Amino acid sequence: DAKTTQPNSMESNEEEPVHLPCNHSTISGTDYIHWYRQLPSQGPEYVIHGLTSNVNNRMASLAIAEDRKSSTLILHRATLRDAAVYYCILRPFSSNTGKLIFGQGTTLQVKP
Amino acid sequence: NAGVMQNPRHLVRRRGQEARLRCSPMKGHSHVYWYRQLPEEGLKFMVYLQKENIIDESGMPKERFSAEFPKEGPSILRIQQVVRGDSAAYFCASSPLGTGKGQETQYFGPGTRLLVL
Repeated sequence: DAKTTQPNSMESNEEEPVHLPCNHSTISGTDYIHWYRQLPSQGPEYVIHGLTSNVNNRMASLAIAEDRKSSTLILHRATLRDAAVYYCILRPFSSNTGKLIFGQGTTLQVKP
Repeated sequence: NAGVMQNPRHLVRRRGQEARLRCSPMKGHSHVYWYRQLPEEGLKFMVYLQKENIIDESGMPKERFSAEFPKEGPSILRIQQVVRGDSAAYFCASSPLGTGKGQETQYFGPGTRLLVL
């Protein structure tokens, strides 16, 4: 399975944009890029995913590099509630199992 | 539409006892995944089940752990003769499509926190 690399931690100020990077240099052409986050004492929740084009939804935006070897999750205006561990996960289009392989993720701290 | 439900939310067991963790997937979802999060560690996949079938149990410890997802009722993760090292948060996730779909999203429950004394 292709691996992802994320910074261990990041800080942001409330109401400012946050850019969370993820490197996946060994990504294959059919791997989808997924982001999940885990708020304190809660289960993970889906944030966004994409394949090649940039994606937007109500929670965030996903910017994917042209060579697909890296991506960035963008929170346009961080709130205190966005403080969480953010996981970047690659999912093959076709596999024998649907399991998610979580790395250590990036712990985002949001300061008021 | 209710989300994924897990119960109990907290479970305390003494060494040697059995722990049963339950997971009710979202309505219409027939695929269930179990993950474990040890203290200060990341989430690790344990097992993937469809109704009445275990599809992938590559993350399950070889002994004492078992899982089922019967035709009727919730999925059950069973831990026999618990030890202190089993203390962890156990999360269940469900999805409507299952394997082979790179776009598939998994929906997680709130977890069961197991404490073994």
